[in-house]
Amino acid sequence: NAGVTQTPKFQVLKTGQSMTLQCAQDMNHEYMSWYRQDPGMGLRLIHYSVGAGITDQGEVPNGYNVSRSTTEDFPLRLLSAAPSQTSVYFCASSYSRGLGPRPYNEQFFGPGTRLTVL
Amino acid sequence: AQKVTQAQTEISVVEKEDVTLDCVYETRDTTYYLFWYKQPPSGELVFLIRRNSFDEQNEISGRYSWNFQKSTSSFNFTITASQVVDSAVYFCALSYSGAGSYQLTFGKGTKLSVIP
Repeated sequence: NAGVTQTPKFQVLKTGQSMTLQCAQDMNHEYMSWYRQDPGMGLRLIHYSVGAGITDQGEVPNGYNVSRSTTEDFPLRLLSAAPSQTSVYFCASSYSRGLGPRPYNEQFFGPGTRLTVL
Repeated sequence: AQKVTQAQTEISVVEKEDVTLDCVYETRDTTYYLFWYKQPPSGELVFLIRRNSFDEQNEISGRYSWNFQKSTSSFNFTITASQVVDSAVYFCALSYSGAGSYQLTFGKGTKLSVIP
């Protein structure tokens, strides 16, 4: 059981290049999310998915694309990288844990991808 | 809308001192969850605690303790007898209950440096 895996761990891009950050989970979780972490800003939600075929925008979606064709994978695409996208990216998966009428989501974070855009 | 404020950007303490990290939150929901995460220099996020809004009982786990006060919308974290291994960035986070609970709203983090 690998949990949440992210590849690559590090990446350097030039402005305008495109790339895909990979995220996979083997826990059959229905929910998956992408966050970015910038110095002094905490983690901010980029996009999320509540199941295969269903995605939605978070707080900072501009410049990013996602799709979820399978339960396991949730790739994040940068179509035309910009220096403002230099950040550490975390993928998370979660499942709903019931506490009667007050369920919450148990979050599992990947190790992160450090992206630099020159 | 939800908001989490960690007013302390950086804190430095000498080893064995006690330190409290502050967290103030805003939410309109009556049922919500609060979390603390630790991010050591290696970069991963380590889950520390989850607290339900309907349970104001404080919690202690070894040298760690958490004080949840709904009246002041605060969920503070205290490390007793700090150690060098406690040096990290600590994040407080908030989520809804039920639909939307998979989305976490994070504070900006507090960087704790424990000096030997």
